[in-house]
Amino acid sequence: DIQMTQSPSSLSASVGDRVTITCRASQRISSYLNWYQQKPGKAPKLLIYAASSLQSGVPSRFSGGGSGTDFTLTISSLQPEDFATYYCQQSYSTPLFTFGPGTKVDVK
Amino acid sequence: QVTLRESGPALVKPTQTLTLTCTFSGFSLSTSGMCVSWIRQSPGKALEWLALIDWDDDKFYSTSLKTRLTISKDTSKNQVVLTMTNVDPVDTATYYCARIRKNGDFPEYFDYWGQGTLVTVSS
Repeated sequence: DIQMTQSPSSLSASVGDRVTITCRASQRISSYLNWYQQKPGKAPKLLIYAASSLQSGVPSRFSGGGSGTDFTLTISSLQPEDFATYYCQQSYSTPLFTFGPGTKVDVK
Repeated sequence: QVTLRESGPALVKPTQTLTLTCTFSGFSLSTSGMCVSWIRQSPGKALEWLALIDWDDDKFYSTSLKTRLTISKDTSKNQVVLTMTNVDPVDTATYYCARIRKNGDFPEYFDYWGQGTLVTVSS
């Protein structure tokens, strides 16, 4: 199975900060990488698919990049509603999907 | 408007069989490319993909859990059912169903999720 890692596991930031989260796959997965946001008690929400495509309705401050094994999720200017946990997920080995361990973004 | 909703018991005893139902609307599982997956999340932990069923009734399972899982669909009722045998306290988790649309070789993603149902395994 393809293993996914994320760094950092958590970070503290302030409103207005630029935040970058990294996801790494254990083998090359081309651009088969998605990002989700999850708030406490809620289901995950799709933010970015195919590494860099913004899901409809998601604010443009979210962006994704990378290919192969290394990927990033960037929030250009952190907003109060962005404090949450973020997960990457690979779909290269479909349908044997795997998620990363998550990155929690909290208030500094 | 696409919606999914999970239902099932909140409490199950160890060694019992857990049966969860995902009832969805806004799409049909008989439409080419449509799939429904089950994903779980143990308290405070990451997401774990469990199983998928597609429009052609093909079924796929997590490598680590495949001997205990069965996924099925009732297209007329817009439902997908997941059964897990011989449950253990480590299976305590929130269970989600989510939709995937396959589109050739284009990367797949979970675009709609249910709100999740918490299942506790305890005697």
